[in-house]
Amino acid sequence: GDKVKQSPSALSLQEGTNSALRCNFSIAATTVQWFLQNPRGSLINLFYLVPGTKENGRLKSAFDSKESYSTLHIRDAQLEDSGTYFCAAASSNTNKVVFGTGTRLQVLP
Amino acid sequence: GPKVLQIPSHQIIDMGQMVTLNCDPVSNHLYFYWYKQILGQQMEFLVNFYNGKVMEKSKLFKDQFSVERPDGSYFTLKIQPTALEDSAVYFCASSLGANTEVFFGKGTRLTVV
Repeated sequence: GDKVKQSPSALSLQEGTNSALRCNFSIAATTVQWFLQNPRGSLINLFYLVPGTKENGRLKSAFDSKESYSTLHIRDAQLEDSGTYFCAAASSNTNKVVFGTGTRLQVLP
Repeated sequence: GPKVLQIPSHQIIDMGQMVTLNCDPVSNHLYFYWYKQILGQQMEFLVNFYNGKVMEKSKLFKDQFSVERPDGSYFTLKIQPTALEDSAVYFCASSLGANTEVFFGKGTRLTVV
């Protein structure tokens, strides 16, 4: 948990609003993944990133390896976006992804 | 996307007994992983596995734990004997290569009573 810190730990949003989640690394991350764990517990792959940005619908993610952080932007939040968002980082000297502590997101009608 | 299947989805077992959790990784993937999650909290790495061998394991991967994938069948996590603190959701994952995108199964909820 100390190696990958996520903020905020919890967040409530009104439907239709925007938000940004952040992940800070104390490891030399080479790739980052973002997941949504839905209320049923399944992990949904959102993004797999090398340094740079990706966009998919209302979601956009950026990974800056030099500054050791990644962000996930949610635009026009919908009720089905509710769940826990995890970032996970991998570094070149280890073959595993290290998870952050998660951001619990609740979208309100 | 690619599917990792885990069997069973739930398992209740008496403390001290043996349990085997089964995972069917994505068909062409070569790297396999187990993670442990307690009460929807952080996902904790247990072990990774490649070419028939454990590559890396964490402190949570106790001596009572073992993994194998005999002859390309299920990738299994065996706990023998189980303890109360082993109660958790265990997620299996796989990836095509080292540090490529990792895909997770839906987890097996293990309850040790």
